[in-house]
Amino acid sequence: EAQVTQNPRYLITVTGKKLTVTCSQNMNHEYMSWYRQDPGLGLRQIYYSMNVEVTDKGDVPEGYKVSRKEKRNFPLILESPSPNQTSLYFCATHGRPGPISQETQYFGPGTRLLVL
Amino acid sequence: KQEVTQIPAALSVPEGENLVLNCSFTDSAIYNLQWFRQDPGKGLTSLLLIQSSQREQTSGRLNASLDKSSGRSTLYIAASQPGDSATYLCAVTGTASKLTFGTGTRLQVTL
Repeated sequence: EAQVTQNPRYLITVTGKKLTVTCSQNMNHEYMSWYRQDPGLGLRQIYYSMNVEVTDKGDVPEGYKVSRKEKRNFPLILESPSPNQTSLYFCATHGRPGPISQETQYFGPGTRLLVL
Repeated sequence: KQEVTQIPAALSVPEGENLVLNCSFTDSAIYNLQWFRQDPGKGLTSLLLIQSSQREQTSGRLNASLDKSSGRSTLYIAASQPGDSATYLCAVTGTASKLTFGTGTRLQVTL
């Protein structure tokens, strides 16, 4: 079964305490990305990766880091979380071959983060 | 910068009604437009994908149209059911496969 998994699903932490949200996919997809969802703002892209060792910034990368050492994993790292990073986070993935116009993306179940 | 708008923000209809959700986008240079469904506590599920060269797509009771030149899409849901209650998100795919989302329409179908 095609799956995108995220861990943890829920997390409460304090300002400044480093944390990592993991994302893993079993579809051998090249492309992975992270989004955050906030009320009234919709989903916004944080970072994306076209393949192993290839990452780039999305629209709201400040305060986040990512790495792509293996095709299946794309962790999101918050080195020093702040309250404005309280949000619902989604990992997404899609594969090639095929033109971009035919791509649909698969989303993980989300990670709800509260930073106090 | 691409902006996606969805109207209405919320909608409540009785079971059995047909309904239309609207989506507009500012930059017509898109690869495709997708409609997603989001249930509380769950991720996003892709409902329909319309390639930029297409005008519409259908899946069961769902029909989505795309007018790229005017920057508009509609999602038509026929004979709505309580199980259709969810938030519906419209998203366009741009450069580097980035999705730009609207803020969604929260649909409630009542018995």
